[in-house]
Amino acid sequence: AAGVIQSPRHLIKEKRETATLKCYPIPRHDTVYWYQQGPGQDPQFLISFYEKMQSDKGSIPDRFSAQQFSDYHSELNMSSLELGDSALYFCASSLGAGGQGTKAFFGQGTRLTVV
Amino acid sequence: AQSVAQPEDQVNVAEGNPLTVKCTYSVSGNPYLFWYVQYPNRGLQFLLKYITGDNLVKGSYGFEAEFNKSQTSFHLKKPSALVSDSALYFCAVRDTWDDYKLSFGAGTTVTVRA
Repeated sequence: AAGVIQSPRHLIKEKRETATLKCYPIPRHDTVYWYQQGPGQDPQFLISFYEKMQSDKGSIPDRFSAQQFSDYHSELNMSSLELGDSALYFCASSLGAGGQGTKAFFGQGTRLTVV
Repeated sequence: AQSVAQPEDQVNVAEGNPLTVKCTYSVSGNPYLFWYVQYPNRGLQFLLKYITGDNLVKGSYGFEAEFNKSQTSFHLKKPSALVSDSALYFCAVRDTWDDYKLSFGAGTTVTVRA
């Protein structure tokens, strides 16, 4: 069965560069969530989209932006990268905005290293 | 390799009754174990975690979980469920060898009826 696909799996960037992470949800899923997990830390919710509209916003820095496209894939754009942005970024997708019985499926994550 | 299994897709209980959400795990080293809750249209919220020490861990909103190494389980419990506990619950594990990777279970939908 198709799962949530994230690309790239690994990314190395220098400080002040930009990075774009992509998330392809499970087919027919219309909701995408983004999380940031630093080394040894709990995942922090960044932002979510439902039907191409932002549905919830967490601790996403102003340097980051995201959107969901017409095919429901999502991209997380990160600018002016800082060393502290080094983390595992993973996304999850679900069908529906999270009512009873809605399950979220997680991707493998993109490991971003800022040097 | 590490993995988490939540054997129940759904758990239904009456308000005031005890609630248990099951989780078993597999890791190559020592596990760090977590429970998260997701309310409708919201991101994950942390409930509790086990790193080391006492096998019974107490967390937010009256939840607790018991680490059982011999059964490789980390079941989430609440003595008296509330209607507001109705949500999606995820168990997660991180191997102490890898600081980054957190593996999630498939989730269990909890419905508490009044």
